[in-house]
Amino acid sequence: GENVEQHPSTLSVQEGDSAVIKCTYSDSASNYFPWYKQELGKRPQLIIDIRSNVGEKKDQRIAVTLNKTAKHFSLHITETQPEDSAVYFCAREGGGNKLTFGTGTQLKVEL
Amino acid sequence: DAGVIQSPRHEVTEMGQEVTLRCKPISGHDYLFWYRQTMMRGLELLIYFNNNVPIDDSGMPEDRFSAKMPNASFSTLKIQPSEPRDSAVYFCASSLAGSGGLETQYFGPGTRLLVL
Repeated sequence: GENVEQHPSTLSVQEGDSAVIKCTYSDSASNYFPWYKQELGKRPQLIIDIRSNVGEKKDQRIAVTLNKTAKHFSLHITETQPEDSAVYFCAREGGGNKLTFGTGTQLKVEL
Repeated sequence: DAGVIQSPRHEVTEMGQEVTLRCKPISGHDYLFWYRQTMMRGLELLIYFNNNVPIDDSGMPEDRFSAKMPNASFSTLKIQPSEPRDSAVYFCASSLAGSGGLETQYFGPGTRLLVL
């Protein structure tokens, strides 16, 4: 169906460590997979996205990988910093130019 | 560009009252989306428009909810009558129609609605 499963729901890491968040989907027609970061009380903001013709994309400390065969995609944050603490949402294009969002991961980076 | 603009930012109302939320998309964007965010249900798409035409309203919870887009620079989401379970943050987002498919959606600051 259209749902996107996101894991874990909460993630706590030490500053400087890496964080990985994984999402799975079932609709093989999905071609666009963005990741949004939402700080407390603020709007979701796009941090990185990937399209189905690419397996990996990197932007400084953030990277996203996509495995279309297995229908999963992951967000990788390296050298985490306190300002990375937020809720992260994955999403997939569900056809008709609309996004279906995952349930979110609360990331906490501890000093 | 000022980004997506929403008003009001906060709304407190009593059950049974009509609530109207407003959105101004980024100039030139031809897609507009209305989302609702709650702790229990996460981020849900309610309805979206393309070139001012509603394309998919399957996420609208019930007939008490309605949305309009009279022109390319303005949209409203109306709840009548409002109920306590409508309390949530309502986001508006807009995007361009890219040649490669869906483009980035830019979210507004949201309207925090509390129905007493």
